[in-house]
Formats: sequence, structure tokens, C-alpha cells
Amino acid sequence: GQQVMQIPQYQHVQEGEDFTTYCNSSTTLSNIQWYKQRPGGHPVFLIQLVKSGEVKKQKRLTFQFGEAKKNSSLHITATQTTDVGTYFCAAHQLNTGTASKLTFGTGTRLQVTL
Amino acid sequence: EPEVTQTPSHQVTQMGQEVILRCVPISNHLYFYWYRQILGQKVEFLVSFYNNEISEKSEIFDDQFSVERPDGSNFTLKIRSTKLEDSAMYFCASTEFGTNEKLFFGSGTQLSVL
Repeated sequence: GQQVMQIPQYQHVQEGEDFTTYCNSSTTLSNIQWYKQRPGGHPVFLIQLVKSGEVKKQKRLTFQFGEAKKNSSLHITATQTTDVGTYFCAAHQLNTGTASKLTFGTGTRLQVTL
Repeated sequence: EPEVTQTPSHQVTQMGQEVILRCVPISNHLYFYWYRQILGQKVEFLVSFYNNEISEKSEIFDDQFSVERPDGSNFTLKIRSTKLEDSAMYFCASTEFGTNEKLFFGSGTQLSVL
């Protein structure tokens, strides 16, 4: 089945430092979504990337989708304590039908300290 | 913003007992999902549901699991005879149109099997 891996598993940064998490799939993806899960919370949708090579920005967050549509990254510039949480990429497989399953990556837990 | 609601927030049960986890998806959404997350691990797909039938299910979703939409608003997950390894956070999610859409997650039900 589809495997979606993320690295690193955990990252601890000082506030103000940058952070990047990488997402890699064993298969070509239809699209990639990113979710954030605060400690004790539920996943909350951040963004979706669809096109090969696509780059999207949300304030300090930059999302990229690889040219081959098999990998993606999330970069946070100048982290803040509010960025703490686990970041998951999630993917639909190419050419699946309606209500197809979203496969979540293994997640990267971000800890930010002052 | 509309929300997916789940009840109860916590459920403790004895091994072998039946449990029913309840969800009220967002009212105009047509596609419903159950995911689970074992503590500290990734979010795992269980089942997707559309038009009163299962669209897709994972290998985790064996004969002990069932889903139902008993009325126009509720979506339930039943585990017939719980096992210790069923202990996890169970998230319900919904989308309006299905494939390639963002998932709206509920706050989850923490199931503890003793």
C-alpha cells in the first residue's frame, strides 16, 4: 500500500529559528495536503497542493510540491511558540474514486522554546 | 466555522465489550470518515462512507467494526468486541464533495480498553 514518510520525526528549535519538514511518498500523488495537530488536539487543515512544482505561502509558512509529485515540504520561517504541534502531510493516491482515503504521513513534532 | 462534533470525548470500557462512538458531521457534507490515532503515532484511515454505504476501508477495519448513519445527522462507529489494542483516539471527519477536499475533523473520542 501507499507509504508516506516524514522527516524528521521530531525537531526542537529556539523561537526565531527556521523549521522544515519533508514528506516523501512511495507512489505518485494526486495531491498533497498539510495538517497541523496541536498537543491534545485534532488535525486541522492548512493547505492543499495539486500541481507539480507548486509553491504556496501562508504568512511564515511555505509549502512545496515536488516536480515528480512524490514529495513535499513545509518550511516555517522564524518560528514562534504558537507553531508548536505535529505537522502531517496527507495524500490521496492518483486516480482513486470518490471518498478515497487520505493517507497521513508519519508526522513531525515541532517543539519551540524561548 | 461549522464543526464536526463527537461524543463522548472519553470512553473507558472493558475488553470484550461493545462500544459505539458518535459523530455529527457538518450538515451539508456528504462524505464521512473515521480515523484513529494511537498515542504519539500517525493518523490512520479506518473507513470512508458515502451515500449510505462504505466506500473504502482499511485492513484495520475488520469484522469487529461497523459504521452506520442511523438518521440524517449522526454517523456512528461500532466496535463489537473491543480488544486492548483498540485503545486510541478516534477521529470522525467529513467533507462536502469527497475526493481531493480538505477534511474537517472532530475533536475525537479517546477510547481506553482495560
